[in-house]
Amino acid sequence: LAKTTQPISMDSYEGQEVNITCSHNNIATNDYITWYQQFPSQGPRFIIQGYKTKVTNEVASLFIPADRKSSTLSLPRVSLSDTAVYYCLVGRSNDYKLSFGAGTTVTVRA
Amino acid sequence: NAGVTQTPKFRVLKTGQSMTLLCAQDMNHEYMYWYRQDPGMGLRLIHYSVGEGTTAKGEVPDGYNVSRLKKQNFLLGLESAAPSQTSVYFCASSGFDRASAVGTEAFFGQGTRLTVV
Repeated sequence: LAKTTQPISMDSYEGQEVNITCSHNNIATNDYITWYQQFPSQGPRFIIQGYKTKVTNEVASLFIPADRKSSTLSLPRVSLSDTAVYYCLVGRSNDYKLSFGAGTTVTVRA
Repeated sequence: NAGVTQTPKFRVLKTGQSMTLLCAQDMNHEYMYWYRQDPGMGLRLIHYSVGEGTTAKGEVPDGYNVSRLKKQNFLLGLESAAPSQTSVYFCASSGFDRASAVGTEAFFGQGTRLTVV
C-alpha cells in the first residue's frame, strides 16, 4: 500500500469549506484513493473513492491532480457534526490490505 | 440490515486469560479485517482474510490468532491476554468489484472494548 501523509489536525468553523490534502508520492498506476471518516467510539465510515480528476457525492468532493501524487478531500459548509478523524488510504487494486494511517482530526467550532 | 456485528461489545480479562472475538457479516463480502485502536491513535491492522479458509498477517499480528472457517465469520483469538492488548477492536468487511479490479467500500462493526487487568 502506498504511504500517505496528511496533516495531524485542522480547525474550522461552521459553514466553512474544509480541504484536507493527502500526499501519496509513490502511488501505483492501478491504485485508487479512498477516504474514511471516524467519529469517537465508532468504526470508520466510507466517504468517497476516486482514481483521477474529480469525484463528488452528497457528502464530499475528491480532487485528484493529473500526477496523482496528492489528493484533496473537500467538505462543503461543515457543521459541528463533521468533527471527526478523516483517513486517506491509497491502494486496494488487487491489494487486499486496508491499512489506515493516523488520519487528520478535524474540529469544527461554532 | 445487520451489516457487520461484533460480539462481545465489552470485556474485561485478567492477564493470561484467553478469549475469542467474533465478527459476523451478512453482505457476502470476500474480505474481512481485524484492527485495534488505542486512545488517540489510528487503526492498526492485526490480521485479515481474502476469503473463506484464508488468513494473513497485518501490521501488528503478534499475540493474536484468527480463523475464517465460514465466509461470513472472522474470529480473533487472544491465547494469553496481556495488559498491552487493552484496546478497542474493530472488525470490517469489504467486497471486490471484478470489473474495475478494486476493493469496494468497507463496513465496520461497532467495536469491542477490551480491558486486560
